[in-house]
Amino acid sequence: NFMLTQPHSMSESPGKTVTISCTRSSGNIASNYVQWYQQRPGSGPSTVIYEDDQRPSGVPDRFSGSIDSSSNSASLTISGLKTEDEADYFCQSYDSNNHIVFGGGTKVTVL
Amino acid sequence: EVRLVQSGAEVKKSGESLRISCEASGYSVSNYWIAWVRQTPEKGLEYMGILYPGDSEARYSPSFQGQVTISVDKSTTTAYLQWISLKASDSAMYYCARSAWSGYYLIPLFDNWGQGTRVTVSS
Repeated sequence: NFMLTQPHSMSESPGKTVTISCTRSSGNIASNYVQWYQQRPGSGPSTVIYEDDQRPSGVPDRFSGSIDSSSNSASLTISGLKTEDEADYFCQSYDSNNHIVFGGGTKVTVL
Repeated sequence: EVRLVQSGAEVKKSGESLRISCEASGYSVSNYWIAWVRQTPEKGLEYMGILYPGDSEARYSPSFQGQVTISVDKSTTTAYLQWISLKASDSAMYYCARSAWSGYYLIPLFDNWGQGTRVTVSS
C-alpha cells in the first residue's frame, strides 16, 4: 500500500501564492487520478481540484492542480491568496486495487 | 442539487451498538458508490469502505473489515454505517461521500460529502 505525504502546514500573506505538495510513496502518481479537498473549520470536505487538474464549477481559477512524474507528486497551487482560503487541504488518490488513500492534510494560514 | 444529509451527533458507551445514516438525494442514487470516511485529529481522513446502492455490494478497507457494516435502504436512498460493539477508539467524525463517477466500475474519487456525524464513545 502506498502513502501520500503532505506538509503539515503552510502560511503566506494575502495576495501571495502557496503550493502544496502531495508525494506518493510507491506506484506512479500519474497512473491514478489525484483529487484535492478543502475543509474549513466545522465543515465537511469539498472538492477544489478533481482528476489531477480539473476545477469544479464554482471554484475560483486561483486554484490549480498539477502532476509531476519526476518527483512522483501532485501539487495544489492557490494564487492571489484570500483570507477565505484559510483551511485544511487534503489530497487523495487510489491504486489499481482501489486501495484509497488520503494525504495527512496541510493547514494553510493566510497571515 | 446533490445532497448527502447525515444523522446527528451520537454519545455512546463502550460496548453499545450504533447505526448512523446518510440520506442521499438529488441524483440517481443507485448509480453512484457511497463511501464512509473517518476523521480524527491523530490520523486525519481514513477510508473505511464503500457501497454500490444498485446491488448493495459493500467493500471494506482492510483496516475496518469486520469492525463495521455498511448497508443501504434503497427505498429511502439512505446509506448506513453500523457498529455492533463500540470502542472508545471509534470516537471520531464520520463522513459519507459520493463517488464522482457513475456506474458500477469504481473510480474512487469523491465529489459530494455529507456534513459529518460526530460519534463520541466513553469508556
